[in-house]
Amino acid sequence: DTGVSQDPRHKITKRGQNVTFRCDPISEHNRLYWYRQTLGQGPEFLTYFQNEAQLEKSRLLSDRFSAERPKGSFSTLEIQRTEQGDSAMYLCASSRDPPGDTQYFGPGTRLTVL
Amino acid sequence: GNSVTQMEGPVTLSEEAFLTINCTYTATGYPSLFWYVQYPGEGLQLLLKATKADDKGSNKGFEATYRKETTSFHLEKGSVQVSDSAVYFCALSDYGGSQGNLIFGKGTKLSVKP
Repeated sequence: DTGVSQDPRHKITKRGQNVTFRCDPISEHNRLYWYRQTLGQGPEFLTYFQNEAQLEKSRLLSDRFSAERPKGSFSTLEIQRTEQGDSAMYLCASSRDPPGDTQYFGPGTRLTVL
Repeated sequence: GNSVTQMEGPVTLSEEAFLTINCTYTATGYPSLFWYVQYPGEGLQLLLKATKADDKGSNKGFEATYRKETTSFHLEKGSVQVSDSAVYFCALSDYGGSQGNLIFGKGTKLSVKP
């Protein structure tokens, strides 16, 4: 069990640029979640995959955000035309079934939009 | 909708003091409840969990009991150590829609002084 990994750990970009983050879940976990955490707040749910299917998206996930999980393994989160308000820590978590089982978190990708 | 409210910090204690961090929740159905911890510079780690009413989760000397009648899941430790300094998050698993995403409180920062 190597844990959840995320890449990159830090990303600094200029407003208007596109960025993409990667998450590699624990290998036998079929559920994968993306969260966003801003300073002084708890993580907030963005989206959820069961295997390769994206089954739920929060209203926080604007049209500029897109996520994929091809083949039900790793996942990517892309933000297009970044804005300063997108600056946050982006967290990935994975778990087994059933829903409510323990989610294991990666170290996160810290995004700074200048 | 479902939500979690936890006591605001920061909380500063002397080593060996008793710790309580209050957490209450609002939920439909029967969520699982969690405490996660975030040590400085590290990712979120599961501290303990409880999946049904009256369950007690425990780990590393920390305990929390799932109280349905008071909708609470308070975190306690009898004697804190400097190494317990971290941010603690209470969370519930919202699987009413089967996705199981976590809803977090805002976090409570604990500082333990020697």
